[in-house]
Parts: sequence; structure tokens; C-alpha cells
Amino acid sequence: EDQVTQSPEALRLQEGESSSLNCSYTVSGLRGLFWYRQDPGKGPEFLFTLYSAGEEKEKERLKATLTKKESFLHITAPKPEDSATYLCAVQAGAWAGNNRKLIWGLGTSLAVNP
Amino acid sequence: DTEVTQTPKHLVMGMTNKKSLKCEQHMGHRAMYWYKQKAKKPPELMFVYSYEKLSINESVPSRFSPECPNSSLLNLHLHALQPEDSALYLCASSQDPPGLRRNEKLFFGSGTQLSVL
Repeated sequence: EDQVTQSPEALRLQEGESSSLNCSYTVSGLRGLFWYRQDPGKGPEFLFTLYSAGEEKEKERLKATLTKKESFLHITAPKPEDSATYLCAVQAGAWAGNNRKLIWGLGTSLAVNP
Repeated sequence: DTEVTQTPKHLVMGMTNKKSLKCEQHMGHRAMYWYKQKAKKPPELMFVYSYEKLSINESVPSRFSPECPNSSLLNLHLHALQPEDSALYLCASSQDPPGLRRNEKLFFGSGTQLSVL
């Protein structure tokens, strides 16, 4: 069964304390792995798409990497404004009707203290 | 314009009411989505419209009725809802329908926070 698992469930960091969030997946044929950021009461905001093992993408203090089994979202010297829930989603190769479904993880809630 | 606009932002309704949620995008996207999200859970897909036609209905109860009047607008009509339907309802769009191409990132609106009393 296709599955996406994120860890940790919650993470509290001090400002400037770098860390990583994990998204592990078991899917039949990865088409793409997506990272989104969600602030409370808002819709998710797209961050990155990764397609193949070894791929890396960066945006400001965030860097996403991908292996054949998992993805990491590295946060370097975080600031309080980086506090949010980070969601990982995977598009698998299996078809659901005429479309390929997006499988979501439960998210990591990140709090960065000043 | 890279926004998906949803109205209203908040909605409180009784179980016998009829209400509608509205969503609009002007990015020329060919797919639009309704998601439901409960607290501390990921978004849960409800419906997908591809090229203005309903392409996915995730076995959603008939008290939720989607409508796509044109390529920029998406509505969700609500009737006889239950308290357990209280959630954040999110509209999203993507350039192409899911599975068609590789770059299928979703653009989400800010959502409608729905409370059913």
C-alpha cells in the first residue's frame, strides 16, 4: 500500500538552530515528491518538487533532498517566521481512474523560538 | 496574478441551511480541486475538475455538490450538513490535471473555515 510518513510530528527549535525534517515513502513508482508549508488557518503554500533520487532544491533557508526511500527538508539558521506545518506529498505511478492521486503525510509542526 | 481566491473566509451554518463556497483563479489553470482539512490532518481530496468536467469524486456524500461554471470558477454547494462536516475547505488549482505532466504543483486558496451547528 502506498504510504507517506513524516517525522518528527512536532519540532521546537531555537532561532539559528539548524535541523532536518524527514519524509519517508513507500509507493509504486514515484512520479514526484512535493513539500508544502502551511500556516494556521491558511492553505498550503508550495515549496519544492523533487522527481528523482539525488535531486536537491534550495530556497532561502530551506533545502530539500531526495533519495529512493525518503526526502529531507533541511532548515538552516531558522527564524521565527519559519514556524509552520511542513507537509510532504507524493504522486505515485499508480492510476486512480484517469488521474494519479497525491498521497499526503501528516506533517511536521515546526516552532522556532526567538 | 498567482492567487486562488476563496469566499467566504468563515461560515457558520445550521444543519438545515443551504450555502455555497466560491473559488476563483485567473492563472489559466486547467484543473481545480476541492479539499477538506480537519485540524492536525493533511488535506483530503473531495473533487477534481479537469477542463471544467468532474474527473474525480472521492465518494463524497451528496450533501456536497460541486459546480464548475467556467474555467476560472469553482463552487461547492452545501445542503443538510452534519456537525462532523465542520472543517477548513480548501480550493486549489494546477496548470494541468493530475498525472498529465510532471510539474503539477498545487496553488491553494486560504480556505473557508466552516462550522456546522
